[in-house]
Amino acid sequence: NAGVTQTPKFRVLKTGQSMTLLCAQDMNHEYMYWYRQDPGMGLRLIHYSVGEGTTAKGEVPDGYNVSRLKKQNFLLGLESAAPSQTSVYFCASNGLSGVNSGANVLTFGAGSRLTVL
Amino acid sequence: AQKITQTQPGMFVQEKEAVTLDCTYDTSDQSYGLFWYKQPSSGEMIFLIYQGSYDEQNATEGRYSLNFQKARKSANLVISASQLGDSAMYFCAMRDTNTGGFKTIFGAGTRLFVKA
Repeated sequence: NAGVTQTPKFRVLKTGQSMTLLCAQDMNHEYMYWYRQDPGMGLRLIHYSVGEGTTAKGEVPDGYNVSRLKKQNFLLGLESAAPSQTSVYFCASNGLSGVNSGANVLTFGAGSRLTVL
Repeated sequence: AQKITQTQPGMFVQEKEAVTLDCTYDTSDQSYGLFWYKQPSSGEMIFLIYQGSYDEQNATEGRYSLNFQKARKSANLVISASQLGDSAMYFCAMRDTNTGGFKTIFGAGTRLFVKA
């Protein structure tokens, strides 16, 4: 099983450019998430989705947009990239189950390293 | 708002010794889940251990155990018999159900260095 696949793995952008990160999962998971990882700050949730056609804001949503048109895909867009968005981006997913279940474990993609000059 | 705090930016441990990585959390929910993930230098996120808020016994997974003290809102990770391969970043995380969703929030992480 491929699990969670992120593309691209690396990207360099100039300030003001736009781009889309694609996350695809083949586990039929309901929930999908986009995090960014910065040194000393752990993983911070950008946006998440609880099902096809739904999205919600996380801790640091500004400057990003997302879409979940298909259950297996979760797209993260940067409309006008800024140097502050230089980061490693992780997509993750998990299945629908009770909160007190180990099945809530997140499956992560390998990460996408974005540099904005 | 829910919050995870990891106060140890870095920790050193001698190979074969045990080490405890601290994690405290803040939530008003009665039902929540706590997780630890490992991130080696290769960058992938690896699930280690899970503790449900209603679990009466501390979770264990091989050399990993979670010291869950609900009243103190702490969920420390204990790694026994440390190995060189345990050198990595470790993240404590909590399932947030406050909004009815299942988003997970993370602490800032602790970098563990295992010395030979």
